[in-house]
Amino acid sequence: DIQMTQSPSSLSASVGDRVTITCQASQDISNYLNWYQQKPGKAPKLLIYDASNLETGVPSRFSGSGSGTDFTFTISSLQPEDIATYYCQQYDNLPGTFGQGTKVEIK
Amino acid sequence: EVQLLESGGGLVQPGGSLRLSCAASGFTFSSYAMSWVRQAPGKGLEWVSAISGSGGSTYYADSVKGRFTISRDNSKNTLYLQMNSLRAEDTAVYYCAKELRIAAAAQIADHWGQGTLVTVSS
Repeated sequence: DIQMTQSPSSLSASVGDRVTITCQASQDISNYLNWYQQKPGKAPKLLIYDASNLETGVPSRFSGSGSGTDFTFTISSLQPEDIATYYCQQYDNLPGTFGQGTKVEIK
Repeated sequence: EVQLLESGGGLVQPGGSLRLSCAASGFTFSSYAMSWVRQAPGKGLEWVSAISGSGGSTYYADSVKGRFTISRDNSKNTLYLQMNSLRAEDTAVYYCAKELRIAAAAQIADHWGQGTLVTVSS
């Protein structure tokens, strides 16, 4: 099975800060990686697919990059409504596997 | 507007069975792969099972293989998850999710239901 390792597991940042989350796959997954946002008590929401494609309607402050085994998710300017847990997910092997999540809080 | 509505969750004893349903609307159901994803209380996401649009291809996580069966009825726009031999560790909110791309495998979940809670306990 492909293991996905996210870091950090949590972070605290100020409004307007640039926030970066990394995700590492245990083997080459090309660009078969998605990023989801989950707010407390809600279903996950797709933000980025194929490592760098922004889902329709998602603000442009969210972005993704990477290929192979190393991936990065960035919020260019953190907003109060971005408080959530973020998950990466690979789909090179089905069913896909998720990272353990990164909880983002406001400092 | 895409809508996914899960039902069928509840309390069940260890070793018991439960069938979840997901009623879909707002898109051509038979053209899209569908998935079940679960989340144990306070934990992360786990992709449980997926099925192609035609129902001809299915995928299972190792943790549920041989115990859970995914199926779909395209005439009723409904996805199912039959869960047998339930264990305490199957306790979770179960979400159904729709694939982003038409005719693709279940790779990218662009719409999710609100989830249904399954509790396995004596």
